[in-house]
Amino acid sequence: EIVLTQSPGTLSLSPGERATLSCRASQSVINNYVVWYQQKPGQAPRLLIFGASRRATGIPDRFSGSGSGADFTLTISRLEPEDFAVYYCQQYGRSPTFGPGTKVEIK
Amino acid sequence: EAELVESGGGLVQPGGSLRLSCAASGFSVSANYMGWVRQAPGKEMEWVSVIYSSGTTTHYADSVKGRLTISRHNSKNMLYLQMNSLRVEDTAVYYCARLDIGVYWYYDLWGRGTLVTVSS
Repeated sequence: EIVLTQSPGTLSLSPGERATLSCRASQSVINNYVVWYQQKPGQAPRLLIFGASRRATGIPDRFSGSGSGADFTLTISRLEPEDFAVYYCQQYGRSPTFGPGTKVEIK
Repeated sequence: EAELVESGGGLVQPGGSLRLSCAASGFSVSANYMGWVRQAPGKEMEWVSVIYSSGTTTHYADSVKGRLTISRHNSKNMLYLQMNSLRVEDTAVYYCARLDIGVYWYYDLWGRGTLVTVSS
């Protein structure tokens, strides 16, 4: 089973700042099958990025994904008030697994 | 607009049973791969089960194999998770999700979840 580690656990930033979230896998993820989701309290998770770097439909271009192998990054170029949430990475290999999440909170 | 709404969660004793339902709207469950994902308090999300669009192929996480059963009702456009022999460690929020398959696989639509608490 591939274990995903996300860092930092919590990111305290102000609106307008850049957020860089890391997702590290215990082994290489085949075909860059890495996905990023956003979740706000009481809401359904929302798909942001798939295939490590492909933005889902309707996702603003301030969200970008990068990485390959076992190291992946989600970047939010300029935080908007609605971006403060928890972000999860996931790998969809033979047995899909999720990371523990990074909470982006208002500083 | 496509939407998923889960129901059926609640408090159940260890060894008991529960059936979760997921009502889909705006698309057909029978034309898609559908699944359940759960998140126990303070823990990572965990993939639970998937049913392929064929309806005849299902897969389960080892932790639930033999106890949980995924199914669907095409005409009602519903997805289900029958949960038997429940354990304390099955306590979690259970999410219903649609799986987009192609070059990349990912959950492109989720419900808000329903809480299952297994406790005596």
